[in-house]
Amino acid sequence: GNSVTQMEGPVTLSEEAFLTINCTYTATGYPSLFWYVQYPGEGLQLLLKATKADDKGSNKGFEATYRKETTSFHLEKGSVQVSDSAVYFCALSSGGFKTIFGAGTRLFVKA
Amino acid sequence: GAGVSQSPRYKVAKRGQDVALRCDPISGHVSLFWYQQALGQGPEFLTYFQNEAQLDKSGLPSDRFFAERPEGSVSTLKIQRTQQEDSAVYLCASSLGRLVRAQHEQYFGPGTRLTVT
Repeated sequence: GNSVTQMEGPVTLSEEAFLTINCTYTATGYPSLFWYVQYPGEGLQLLLKATKADDKGSNKGFEATYRKETTSFHLEKGSVQVSDSAVYFCALSSGGFKTIFGAGTRLFVKA
Repeated sequence: GAGVSQSPRYKVAKRGQDVALRCDPISGHVSLFWYQQALGQGPEFLTYFQNEAQLDKSGLPSDRFFAERPEGSVSTLKIQRTQQEDSAVYLCASSLGRLVRAQHEQYFGPGTRLTVT
């Protein structure tokens, strides 16, 4: 069945460091891929998405490229801020109405 | 209110009690989803409504779980005879359009944290 695997956290970085959160997936067909973010005390919100191979989703300085050959959708940001501290979820949808989420990766950014 | 709201935010139930969790989606949103999120895990799909029609309930873990959206807006998730393994955060999300490969953005509520003692 469809699944999403993302790197375990927590990830702790200093401000302005480079961020990578790895995400790989297993899916039939051609899924759409998403990154959601949950800031402390808030609900999940969509950060970025990509709907076909080689698409790059980007938002708020974050980027992720849909790599079909490696079945990956790694999240990157060149310079993190304290305000980026949150839990990040990789997710996919492949037909039907279900979105499959990874377990989440908690990011702490220190000033 | 601009966002998805859920009530109550916290619920403690004794094992065997019935509970009802409410979701108010964004006005005009056609699609509504319920998810269950266990501690330290990602959300897991429970069920999907398009207006008042429940088109997918494959994620409901047992027949003790029941969801409805009778007028195509507010939705209620009911859990009968609660068990300890039902303890989780229950998330509701709504989306403007009808779903095609889940490409439409889902807007999530803050969740209801259910603790069964």
